[in-house]
Formats: sequence, structure tokens, C-alpha cells
Amino acid sequence: DQQVKQNSPSLSVQEGRISILNCDYTNSMFDYFLWYKKYPAEGPTFLISISSIKDKNEDGRFTVFLNKSAKHLSLHIVPSQPGDSAVYFCAATSPSGTYKYIFGTGTRLKVLA
Amino acid sequence: SQTIHQWPATLVQPVGSPLSLECTVEGTSNPNLYWYRQAAGRGLQLLFYSVGIGQISSEVPQNLSASRPQDRQFILSSKKLLLSDSGFYLCAWSPGIPGNTIYFGEGSWLTVV
Repeated sequence: DQQVKQNSPSLSVQEGRISILNCDYTNSMFDYFLWYKKYPAEGPTFLISISSIKDKNEDGRFTVFLNKSAKHLSLHIVPSQPGDSAVYFCAATSPSGTYKYIFGTGTRLKVLA
Repeated sequence: SQTIHQWPATLVQPVGSPLSLECTVEGTSNPNLYWYRQAAGRGLQLLFYSVGIGQISSEVPQNLSASRPQDRQFILSSKKLLLSDSGFYLCAWSPGIPGNTIYFGEGSWLTVV
């Protein structure tokens, strides 16, 4: 049962344009969502997060949007840079108290120079 | 500041041999600890998590086990490895407070031959 889904395994974007990565979840009790960036053979690094009480959070070039009614979140990267090329994972925490972080399958972003 | 280390970084093991991956966290106390696996082309699969010494929750039935002998030490083990155990194993920690980030180690590549 895949509770967190990233339906696009890969995405190519031109340098300077916007990258939009999408994530869907099934458990309406998830209360905190995170995005991570991962290079090959390295651990994922934290990018940005959002609480379920918000619908938008921005940090520099990165913005995360949350649509609770659609159980959908997205990560916007503007402008995209070649160094952004990596695999991006979204994650959600299970209901408060169980402390599990459930990850999606990842989207490989390639930013073309 | 908090740091997380796991080792070994790479190992090649024959089928049927034992496994021991070790992870330690520094700079914090009573963290939640996690083991994830990233198999080829797959997302980050939660294997085990622990909210305290001796407290282990298993997410996926398999021939792996985890132990937490000390507050900031988390060990992933197997008595007999299978080919399907190959993958990239990641240790992670979180502060144990809802709405917080999870932080990953560098990862360990396991190839079972």
C-alpha cells in the first residue's frame, strides 16, 4: 500500500525555467510533509517542509504547495539550475505520536543547460 | 550540532552470510532512529524505527533485524543474507517531536552475491 506516490519518475527542464514536482498521498491524517533531494550514493538532504495547517511555504528558490482536499503537494523550483539535477523525494509523517516518515518513490529531475 | 554516521559505506557479501550495519548519532539525546532501504529503481522503504533503547518497530517482514543497544546507536543485522537484500541502506534520526525533520546518514551500499 503506497501511501505516498510520485507518479512521474523523471522530469527534464531547461535551465532558468520552473521545475514542478508532484506528490500525492492517501492518508488524510498525515500532518507534516517534507521534500528531500538525493544524489547517487548519498543520503537525502532536507529541502523544505510544510505543516498541514498551511497551504504554502517558501524558502528561496523552493516553494511547496499543499492542497489538502486533493491530498496533493508540489515542489516548485524557480529558477532551475543544473545543480538541481537529482532525485527528489516527498515524505509525509504519520499521525502524531507514531513518528514514521513515509517516502514516495522519487522523481529524477534533470536540468538542461 | 548533530551528526549521524553509518558504516561500512560499501560491502559485498555472499548469500547466506551475516550482516551488521552500524549507525551512531552525536549531539542529541533520545532521538528517534530509523533504517530505510533504497532498492534499485525504488523509493525509500522504511524498514525499522525506534523511539527508545530496546524499542524497535518493524515495518516490513523479512530476514533483517534491528537493535538499539544504546541511546544513539542503531544496528541493522541479518543472520543469512539473500540476494534480494542488496540495496542502499540509510540510517536516519529525528528529534522525536511531531512536525520535525528527519536527517539521513551517508548510506551503505550492500551487494549480495
